[in-house]
Amino acid sequence: GQNIDQPTEMTATEGAIVQINCTYQTSGFNGLFWYQQHAGEAPTFLSYNVLDGLEEKGRFSSFLSRSKGYSYLLLKELQMKDSASYLCAVRGKDYKLSFGAGTTVTVRA
Amino acid sequence: SAVISQKPSRDICQRGTSLTIQCQVDSQVTMMFWYRQQPGQSLTLIATANQGSEATYESGFVIDKFPISRPNLTFSTLTVSNMSPEDSSIYLCSVTGGSDTIYFGEGSWLTVV
Repeated sequence: GQNIDQPTEMTATEGAIVQINCTYQTSGFNGLFWYQQHAGEAPTFLSYNVLDGLEEKGRFSSFLSRSKGYSYLLLKELQMKDSASYLCAVRGKDYKLSFGAGTTVTVRA
Repeated sequence: SAVISQKPSRDICQRGTSLTIQCQVDSQVTMMFWYRQQPGQSLTLIATANQGSEATYESGFVIDKFPISRPNLTFSTLTVSNMSPEDSSIYLCSVTGGSDTIYFGEGSWLTVV
């Protein structure tokens, strides 16, 4: 099975940077995903890491260290619209996703 | 990326009734899953929808309560049977698309009264 931990809440100021950490313990690893979910909406795909290192996509970057069971999502130049829940999910060898509880990010002016 | 359409998007259902949710994908996909997200919670996997055979259910979910069909590689249905208020949730269809990524449909918001 999977055990996935991420902080419950984070607050940051518009224009700043926020880093959301995710640690996991898994019986089989086949990739780590980050999703953004606004209130009242379905999750939308942000990033996918299967190898160690940093993946950059515009203002969002995601990092993975498989040996440490650790990932982070970095949000740069924060905007008000980035206020949302961010979900860390680990895929096992059976292709099933296990989700963390989610991190609610609040961006303040 | 795969385009995933779910119907209905929202519904208010009477206790004891059943509702079928449809998931249509714009391309053939190998892996298709159904998830539930209860209010204030994260996503929980209900089952893997297998094409041409019975779905594979996760612990805590049973076929009598959540029958699933997958007649082909682009379509699946999830039925929530004999609903109670505890079934009020978002139900999400998920597929593995190009570049091995995983996408979700828009979700079906069910409220049981």
